[in-house]
Formats: sequence, structure tokens, C-alpha cells
Amino acid sequence: RKEVEQDPGPFNVPEGATVAFNCTYSNSASQSFFWYRQDCRKEPKLLMSVYSSGNEDGRFTAQLNRASQYISLLIRDSKLSDSATYLCVVNSLSGGATNKLIFGTGTLLAVQP
Amino acid sequence: DARVTQTPRHKVTEMGQEVTMRCQPILGHNTVFWYRQTMMQGLELLAYFRNRAPLDDSGMPKDRFSAEMPDATLATLKIQPSEPRDSAVYFCASGLGGWGSDTEAFFGQGTRLTVV
Repeated sequence: RKEVEQDPGPFNVPEGATVAFNCTYSNSASQSFFWYRQDCRKEPKLLMSVYSSGNEDGRFTAQLNRASQYISLLIRDSKLSDSATYLCVVNSLSGGATNKLIFGTGTLLAVQP
Repeated sequence: DARVTQTPRHKVTEMGQEVTMRCQPILGHNTVFWYRQTMMQGLELLAYFRNRAPLDDSGMPKDRFSAEMPDATLATLKIQPSEPRDSAVYFCASGLGGWGSDTEAFFGQGTRLTVV
């Protein structure tokens, strides 16, 4: 079983739609959580961190459920420019060493005009 | 505009040849990661360094892969001998991290490796 699991998609949605991505992680000792975005043939870039209380950045909302080891990303009012792969990332502890960033395989979003 | 620089951007080589990929992390960053990305496996962590010391290379095939940081401005990933299954995009990323603190990883543009 992979340490971080995501639905690979693709998610095909019309402009203006609300779309939600989910992610589960297996290491209960994980400390911090992120969503990254990767455009086609580009490098991944940080979209937002995920905090226990949930956090929002414009049209994007991230939630963390530590009990269920579950992370989500909600995108409201989707734009064409949101089309990308969204990567769930977990800071996994390894023998006491932190900052081992483990990536999910990503969820592909295609926003249609 | 500070960025992680990787060279070469593209590499085509024959099976059995040595491949060396280089990475210049962002100045001042103390953590360097090497990832490999394929369609099937996604982004896999191969190795990472803190203050030039290797912290974890459990994701790296030891028989043919090696990663080093000869100095704070250079990280290298070598494959010897290369095999067709090594074909992938190799990303280097750097960040500022410490025990118990968050690290945002800034990625380079990657080296697209094809082994024929």
C-alpha cells in the first residue's frame, strides 16, 4: 500500500464547477501536509499548506482529518487555468528525521469551457 | 528570482552508460531532495540531504544509483550502469528545514532521461 493515496482521476468539470479531491495517508505520525500543483511537463509547485483547523486561500479550501488520516482540497468556481495535476504531500517521519516529503501520484483536473 | 537549477534538461543515453545529473539548490537552503517521476509510479523520493549529510536514501536502488553533495551549491545523482527502466524525469528540490519544522520544497525544472 502506498504511503499517500489519491484518486488519479481525471476529473473533467465545466468552468464554474466546484470540485473536491481527497487523499489518505498511512503514517499516523505524519506532521504536516500540503497540496502541490503540477502543470503538464512542468515542475510541481506549492499550492497551499493544510492545517488542522482547515484553511482557505481564495477559491481553494484545504481540510485535514487526523483521526481518519484524510486530506481534502476543494476548488470553487473552477477556471480553465486550474487544469493541472494536484499532488497531495505528506511530511513523513522516518527514524526521527523530519521533512521527508512523500507525494501522492496526483489527481488530474481538466476544466472544460 | 532564486530558483533550483538542474542540468542537463534532457539526456538520451545508451543502456550501460553512466549518467550524471546535477542540481544547484537555492542559496541558503539546507535541505535537498532527489525525486524520480514516471507515469506509473508518480513522484518517488530517492534521497534527501540536510546540511549536505544524507538523511535517507532508502528509496534509491543502491546497486546502480548514488547521490552526493560535494558542496553546499551542488548535488549530484549518478546512475551507473543505466538501464531502460531508469527512463523518467528526475527532479531536484531544495528547502529550509529543521527538526519538526515544515519545509516547502522548491523544485527544479527536472532532467528528462531516456535510456535506449
